[in-house]
Amino acid sequence: AQSVTQLDSQVPVFEEAPVELRCNYSSSVSVYLFWYVQYPNQGLQLLLKYLSGSTLVESINGFEAEFNKSQTSFHLRKPSVHISDTAEYFCAVSDVHTGGGNKLTFGTGTQLKVEL
Amino acid sequence: DGGITQSPKYLFRKEGQNVTLSCEQNLNHDAMYWYRQDPGQGLRLIYYSQIVNDFQKGDIAEGYSVSREKKESFPLTVTSAQKNPTAFYLCASSISWDSTYEQYFGPGTRLTVT
Repeated sequence: AQSVTQLDSQVPVFEEAPVELRCNYSSSVSVYLFWYVQYPNQGLQLLLKYLSGSTLVESINGFEAEFNKSQTSFHLRKPSVHISDTAEYFCAVSDVHTGGGNKLTFGTGTQLKVEL
Repeated sequence: DGGITQSPKYLFRKEGQNVTLSCEQNLNHDAMYWYRQDPGQGLRLIYYSQIVNDFQKGDIAEGYSVSREKKESFPLTVTSAQKNPTAFYLCASSISWDSTYEQYFGPGTRLTVT
């Protein structure tokens, strides 16, 4: 069985400061990794994903995440946050193998609050 | 505009009543999903459908039922057997059941049962 741990339920940060949202996973098989963002009272939007290849993946709005297999982590970072980044961020994993299908296991989420 | 629509945005029901949440997609996706979101618990999978006329239970299917008679529609019924139905419900879809494909989410329905 898979599990995803997001240890920080809330992360307050000042605008233009760097931020890191932590994600660790546990799985007996190879996984794909995802970060989703949720704005208040809305659905989730995919921020970025790791399927294979380069372990560093980037989003169009300046976020990046690095897959670290030895530490089973996929932390999300941004060098300089903006007020509009205030949202809840979810880390998720799915099985690489076809048998597992497209079944996502989500972490409990991290609320990023950017302050002036 | 292609996407997923869920209606209504807010839904109120009395305890003991069944209620059906709508989910429609015009993305021509084969796979569809229903998740439940509770504060501090992330998203949990209720039911999923890999293809039309087929569906399977997810991790928390008790007290819920679904149908998939059309490719674009995947309604969820919350029955009176669901002990804690008040939650935010999210519908999603993906091109196929293959795990390399992104899941696209609808805007959600907030259900309150009193």
